[in-house]
Amino acid sequence: SYVLTQPPSVSVAPGKTARITCGGNNIGSNIVHWYQQKPGQAPVLVIYYDSDRPSGIPERFSGSNSGNTATLTISRVEAGDEADFYCQVWDNSSDRYVFGTGTKVTVL
Amino acid sequence: QVQLQESGPGLVKPSQTLSLTCSVSGGSISSGNYYWSWIRQPAGKGLEWIGRVYTSGITKYNPSLKSRVTIAVDASKNRFSLRLTSLTAADTAVYYCARDGDDSSSSYFEYWGQGTLVTVSS
Repeated sequence: SYVLTQPPSVSVAPGKTARITCGGNNIGSNIVHWYQQKPGQAPVLVIYYDSDRPSGIPERFSGSNSGNTATLTISRVEAGDEADFYCQVWDNSSDRYVFGTGTKVTVL
Repeated sequence: QVQLQESGPGLVKPSQTLSLTCSVSGGSISSGNYYWSWIRQPAGKGLEWIGRVYTSGITKYNPSLKSRVTIAVDASKNRFSLRLTSLTAADTAVYYCARDGDDSSSSYFEYWGQGTLVTVSS
């Protein structure tokens, strides 16, 4: 089955840029979505269709997808960005939605 | 604004069947080309998609759970449900309901319930 691999953790200082990767075999041929999940809360969609932002999501959040890696970039990181982030695709081979392993973003 | 709310027992015994309901408000469950999904998350772990249903009753399940899962819709009550049989401790998780689109290859989960914790224990 299709596996989406994310780094377990990313640490970043306030005001700097955080990059969260999502690795998968030829993921660039898939459409990738990203979710932010704060402790005790449901996930929130932050990026859809690789790079689109839902209304209400700051422009600081951006996404890209090419080759074997999709990337969520958070610019000018704020303390409130601290959360777990998950990527998501549809896997045609196993006929199911697949989520990435998740990345915990810590703001130093 | 669409809102989803899960309901059901918080504690279920091993080998028994879990039944959860997701009530939809802020819009008709039958309007638009949307599917309605269940997703779960064990404590401290990642997200796992369980399956989804369309208002016509068409379903699609995660192959790893397919033999134990039934998802159904009750459009008259604007809600959908999850039934998971033969429970074990590995099924202990927070269960979320969510809305996704009709084209699974590009669909995302825009609206989520708050989640409900289900513990499988005797």
